Amino acid sequence: EVQLVESGGGLVQPGGSLRLSCAASGFTFNIYWMSWVRQAPGKGLEWVANIKQDGSEKHYVDSVKGRFTISRDNAKNSLYLQMDSLRAEDTAVYYCARDGFNGWDKHYWGQGILVTVSS
Amino acid sequence: QSVLTQPPSASGTPGQRVTISCSGSRSNIAINTVNWYQQLPGTAPKLLIYSNNQRPSGVPDRFSGSKSGTSASLAISGLQSEDEADYYCAAWDDSLNGEVFGGGTKLTVL
Repeated sequence: EVQLVESGGGLVQPGGSLRLSCAASGFTFNIYWMSWVRQAPGKGLEWVANIKQDGSEKHYVDSVKGRFTISRDNAKNSLYLQMDSLRAEDTAVYYCARDGFNGWDKHYWGQGILVTVSS
Repeated sequence: QSVLTQPPSASGTPGQRVTISCSGSRSNIAINTVNWYQQLPGTAPKLLIYSNNQRPSGVPDRFSGSKSGTSASLAISGLQSEDEADYYCAAWDDSLNGEVFGGGTKLTVL
């Protein structure tokens, strides 16, 4: 059974940092692109970043470029999102998702983890 | 303002057929495949349609997707109360070099 479990969320002050983790199991982690998608309270889905199978290629939404870093450790079947210089507008539930074998279809999602940026 | 445009709401009665539109541009829907997600309150999104018109195993054939030019549509036939949820379209955007989602459509079953 495919499982994606996020951790590392919580309350952080504006300008602070947080590192999200996503533990993957039930599939061959190193053959899939992986993504982070977020959802602000009461708002829609927003793609944040993705990373290639070997970590050699990464893409980010403009609003987080230079502040967030996506990474992965294939030996640990884990995906990460380092979030620096956090802003109030980064407050959201963050989902880890597995991209499709040949496209960006996300067949599997984690349960989501809440990040709150507030003083 | 989302790159992909969806109506904020849609509604129908049980048994009816409802369609939800998703309007994009030459840099996203016109040249890349469209995926649709269903999100029930308080839960993670669920893939409903991928590659424009493919259903993952377990998704009823009441759900169907189509694409033409810069637009895509999700159709739900034989509407049921459990279909009440938020629906999102998504596609890769070659100009933005990233994935884009529609703003979401809240479906109400009357």
